[in-house]
Amino acid sequence: DIQMTQSPSSVSASVGDRVTITCRASQGISSWLAWYQQKPGKAPKLLIYAASILQSGVPSRFSGSGSGTDFTLTISSLQPEDFATYYCQQANSFPYAFGQGTKLEIK
Amino acid sequence: EVQLVESGGGLVQPGRSLRLSCAASGFTFDDYAMHWVRQAPGKGLEWVSGISWNSGSIGYVDSVKGRFTISRDNAKNSLYLQMNSLRAEDTALYYCAKEKYYHDGSAYSYYFDYWGQGTLVTVSS
Repeated sequence: DIQMTQSPSSVSASVGDRVTITCRASQGISSWLAWYQQKPGKAPKLLIYAASILQSGVPSRFSGSGSGTDFTLTISSLQPEDFATYYCQQANSFPYAFGQGTKLEIK
Repeated sequence: EVQLVESGGGLVQPGRSLRLSCAASGFTFDDYAMHWVRQAPGKGLEWVSGISWNSGSIGYVDSVKGRFTISRDNAKNSLYLQMNSLRAEDTALYYCAKEKYYHDGSAYSYYFDYWGQGTLVTVSS
């Protein structure tokens, strides 16, 4: 089974900062990767799929890149509503593993 | 508007069974695969099980194989998860999620574009 590892586990940043979160797959998954945002008490929200395609309605300050085993999620200018936990997910085949999450906190 | 509404959660003793349901609306249910994803209290997301549009392809995470059974009724726009031999480590919020598929020219990949609000399963004596 494919394992997904995110780093860092948590990050503190300020409004307006640029933040990058990394996800690594235990084997190559081409561009078959998604990023989700989850706020406390809410269901996850799909942000990016196929590594770099923005889901409809997601602000353009979010971007994704990578292929093979290494992927990144970048938020270009943090807004107050972006403080949340972010998860990557491999989308190749069963089982669809998630990373352990990265909590983005206000500095 | 796509809506997914889970039900059936509750407090259950170890070794007992529970059946979760997910009622779907706002999209053509039998066009899409569906999934269950869970989240233990204070922990991350774990994909549990998925089922294709026609029930022809089904998958489970190793920790629930042989204990959980996913099924769907396209006539009722409903997804189910039969959970047997429940363990304390199955305690979690269980989400129903709709699959979004994408073809990049060489292969399909699968994502979760709509989620319900979850139903809480607590396994405890």
